[in-house]
Amino acid sequence: QVELVESGGGVVQPGGSLRLSCAASGFPFSSYGMHWVRQAPGKGLEWVAFIRYDGHNQNKGDSVRGRFTISRDNSKNTLYLQMNSLRPEDTAVYYCAKDRVGYSNGPLNMDVWGKGTTVSVSS
Amino acid sequence: AIQLTQSPSSLSASVGDRVTITCRASQGIYSALAWYQQLPGQAPKLLIYDASSLESGVPSRFSGSGSGTDFTLSISSLQPEDFATYYCQQFSSYELLTFGGGTRVEIK
Repeated sequence: QVELVESGGGVVQPGGSLRLSCAASGFPFSSYGMHWVRQAPGKGLEWVAFIRYDGHNQNKGDSVRGRFTISRDNSKNTLYLQMNSLRPEDTAVYYCAKDRVGYSNGPLNMDVWGKGTTVSVSS
Repeated sequence: AIQLTQSPSSLSASVGDRVTITCRASQGIYSALAWYQQLPGQAPKLLIYDASSLESGVPSRFSGSGSGTDFTLSISSLQPEDFATYYCQQFSSYELLTFGGGTRVEIK
């Protein structure tokens, strides 16, 4: 079955770095764009970043641009989010999600989600 | 960035009620809107895409309508498993996606 499993979350001090991973299975990973979406405690959803199916185009939200980098390894069916210069407001559950449409040039919407990994930024 | 405003932010309803949630975009987004359901402690689930297309496996009591700036999600007869938070999301801005603030549907 189609599955996304995030890992790499944890507690980090402000200014620190963390790399999240998302292992995909059950679908042709290299055919679909992928997203990271986050949810701060008790808050709504915030789209973080998107990477095209071939890795050649990335889009990011204003709050993470210049600090976070999205990447993928299609040979390993794995999505990554490198998070640098972390701030307390980056504290959230981070979800990996698959774009609904194959071979899309840009982000559309998300039809498969992982269970999320928790990032806490605190001194 | 395109802003999405959902209303109400919360509502109370009974099983069997018809429920309607509204999402208004700060500028026209054609039909580039999706709706998600999030149960407590779970990841979101896609319900509707392209404003009115029902995602595979989603019960037919869910429906979406609208275009331009005004959109609605309707649940024709609320079931116990529908008590959740609902989010709209636009994808008209090809480089920057945004979600609405959410609507919590609670049991009356």
